[in-house]
Parts: sequence; C-alpha cells; structure tokens
Amino acid sequence: GNSVTQMEGPVTLSEEAFLTINCTYTATGYPSLFWYVQYPGEGLQLLLKATKADDKGSNKGFEATYRKETTSFHLEKGSVQVSDSAVYFCALSDRDGGATNKLIFGTGTLLAVQP
Amino acid sequence: DAGVTQSPTHLIKTRGQQVTLRCSPISGHKSVSWYQQVLGQGPQFIFQYYEKEERGRGNFPDRFSARQFPNYSSELNVNALLLGDSALYLCASSLADRAGNTIYFGEGSWLTVV
Repeated sequence: GNSVTQMEGPVTLSEEAFLTINCTYTATGYPSLFWYVQYPGEGLQLLLKATKADDKGSNKGFEATYRKETTSFHLEKGSVQVSDSAVYFCALSDRDGGATNKLIFGTGTLLAVQP
Repeated sequence: DAGVTQSPTHLIKTRGQQVTLRCSPISGHKSVSWYQQVLGQGPQFIFQYYEKEERGRGNFPDRFSARQFPNYSSELNVNALLLGDSALYLCASSLADRAGNTIYFGEGSWLTVV
C-alpha cells in the first residue's frame, strides 16, 4: 500500500540555520502531498501542499517541491527561528478501502531550534 | 470563520467504559474524518464520512464507530475502552470528498484511559 517515510528526529539547529527534513513516498498513481506542523499540545496545521509533479508548495518561508522522479517531497527553510520548533509531518492523500480522501502520514520529525 | 471544533478537549476514562467525542467541521465542509494519534507517532485514519455516509474505515476494531449528522457534525464512539486507546483523537474536515482536497484538523480530544 501507499506509505510515507520521513527522516528520524530530533533535528536540532541553531537559529538562522538552514533546514531540510527529508520525505519520500510510495504510491500508485499521483497523490497530492502535504506538510503539516504540530506545535506542543496542539492539533495539526497545514503548512503547505503540492498537487502534481514539479509543483512547489510554500508558506511562511518553508518550501517543498513534488519530485516524481525521486518520489520525494523534502521540506526546506533557509533560516529557522525558535518559533519553528515543532513536529513536522509529511503526508499523502489516498483513496483506499472506500475512503475517497484520507491522509497517510509519516512518523513525524521533531525540530528543536536553539537561540 | 471558525475552524474545526472538537469537544471535549481532555477526558479521562476507566477501562471498559465508553466515550463519545464530538466534532463540528468548518462551515460548508461536508466531509469529516477521524484520526487517532498515539504519542510519538503520526495520525492514523479511522473513518471518513461524506454527506452522512461512511466512505472509508481504517484498520480499527468494531469497538470504534462514528456517525455524521444532517448539519455535517460528527461523533466518534469508542466502546469497551482499553489502555491502548489512550491517544489524541483528531477530527478533520474538507470541502469535498475528492482525493487531494485539503484536509483541515481540529485541536483534538486528548483521551486518557486508566
């Protein structure tokens, strides 16, 4: 079945450092891809999305490009801030078992940014 | 506009009890889904409902059930609670039921089973 694999954390960076969180996927067809962020004690917030190959999603300085040839959707940010500390989830949309719109998530990557 | 709202935010139950969690989707959204997030893991799909019909069910036992009401709000019920049911239960909504439609999540209901 479809699946998402994320780099394991935690990722610890100093403020203003460059961030990359790797995400690869396995899927039949061409799913939409998402990054969600979860701050401590909160639910999930959509960070960005891409719906087709070569699309670039971007939001709040974060970017990710849908790479069909490498089945990847890596998250990047040029200069992280302490406020970016959170758990980041990569996800793909799926139609499976009757569900017409469900998400399959990776295990999440904890990012800790130190001042 | 209000986002996805869930209640209660926190609750503690005893093994064997039953629990009902409630969710109101974003106004205009007709698709509601439920996910379970165990500490340290990614959310796992439980159910999807669209226009009051069940559209999909994840790999969860029959102790888990849900329904969607005419106003598109939804309830998740879990019977005969086990310690392993302790988790954050997330409700999500989307405008339509097409794959790739953006799914928006609520803040979740934290369930602790003791």
